[in-house]
Amino acid sequence: NAGVMQNPRHLVRRRGQEARLRCSPMKGHSHVYWYRQLPEEGLKFMVYLQKENIIDESGMPKERFSAEFPKEGPSILRIQQVVRGDSAAYFCASSPLSDPNTGELFFGEGSRLTVL
Amino acid sequence: GNSVTQMEGPVTLSEEAFLTINCTYTATGYPSLFWYVQYPGEGLQLLLKATKADDKGSNKGFEATYRKETTSFHLEKGSVQVSDSAVYFCALSETSGSRLTFGEGTQLTVNP
Repeated sequence: NAGVMQNPRHLVRRRGQEARLRCSPMKGHSHVYWYRQLPEEGLKFMVYLQKENIIDESGMPKERFSAEFPKEGPSILRIQQVVRGDSAAYFCASSPLSDPNTGELFFGEGSRLTVL
Repeated sequence: GNSVTQMEGPVTLSEEAFLTINCTYTATGYPSLFWYVQYPGEGLQLLLKATKADDKGSNKGFEATYRKETTSFHLEKGSVQVSDSAVYFCALSETSGSRLTFGEGTQLTVNP
């Protein structure tokens, strides 16, 4: 059973460009979470999605950031007009439909964004 | 709101030493508590968890006990190995959904 797949693993963008990060949850999981890990810091919650719905986006910056989890295909975290402060590791995690409240999340290996 | 506080790192130990990483939390309800581990260049993996007071989570020689009276969930291991070198995150889950609140992480380095 494949784990959570994220791509790209590494992404370099210049200031003002767009970054798109993709996440395919584990098979059978329909709950996806995005977390951001800034250098030397812990993980900060960004957004929680189910298929075609944003459940909780309280951790998302108000501007330039958006996320989706379409009926078909991976979840996408989109950052428009990137700035140097967006440089971080972005982790996706998924949990199973059957028991979303256990708190056990399965993490991908992360996408490391570097903004020049 | 909910929060998690971990002991500051980094922690450096010799192989076979005893490990304690302190974790305390603040929560309005009755959260579940977790320790996740992040090996270099990888994502986080669940190490152990406890869902109610006095529960003890254990895995790979690591243990942590959910102490409601002291709002703590300290991680312990009796004899660490070089392969335990990683960053350890304490976390709690709120009662609605699986959103996790993480501590800052503690870097552990074990030397031979």
